[in-house]
Amino acid sequence: EPEVTQTPSHQVTQMGQEVILRCVPISNHLYFYWYRQILGQKVEFLVSFYNNEISEKSEIFDDQFSVERPDGSNFTLKIRSTKLEDSAMYFCASSEALAHGETQYFGPGTRLLVL
Amino acid sequence: KQEVTQIPAALSVPEGENLVLNCSFTDSAIYNLQWFRQDPGKGLTSLLLIQSSQREQTSGRLNASLDKSSGRSTLYIAASQPGDSATYLCAVREWAGGSQGNLIFGKGTKLSVKP
Repeated sequence: EPEVTQTPSHQVTQMGQEVILRCVPISNHLYFYWYRQILGQKVEFLVSFYNNEISEKSEIFDDQFSVERPDGSNFTLKIRSTKLEDSAMYFCASSEALAHGETQYFGPGTRLLVL
Repeated sequence: KQEVTQIPAALSVPEGENLVLNCSFTDSAIYNLQWFRQDPGKGLTSLLLIQSSQREQTSGRLNASLDKSSGRSTLYIAASQPGDSATYLCAVREWAGGSQGNLIFGKGTKLSVKP
């Protein structure tokens, strides 16, 4: 069964460093998302992406964040200058159809720790 | 602003028991509601998606209901098994005009099924 994959599974970085989190969505999906979950808290929406541009973004997704689909398969989240509070599990998700009713499929996540 | 609440926060039951998890949301203008399962340190697995026009969905031992007007959903698990132990998340997809509408998550119910 097709799956969303994410790399790396764990990343440790120093405050102020740039990190790039990578995702490979399900191949025939058109809509891509990033969410994060700070330890012990709710899963929070960051950004949605369609047709090579951002569809929607949350207040969390400030100028330190960017997303890109550099080729036909990868979808990346870049954090330019990490802060301690960026430590979280980051989930990528994808969905197939244009309709709002379509299920979002989540990857296993990347656990980011900023020291 | 949409808020999603799940009660109880944690639940421990003996194997074989039927159980109900509750989810409530403050704004009834939703596209759909999705139930997920999250195992410790892992990603989210979609269990059931209910469109706003539907009342319930079933998959195996799971049945999810939706009462949009009262802002409530329940996830019913029949004949619980130790393998059902996980955190169950409820998420609503907002009505967002022309955009995709992101998922708003509850904090989850942590279920433990004792052998």
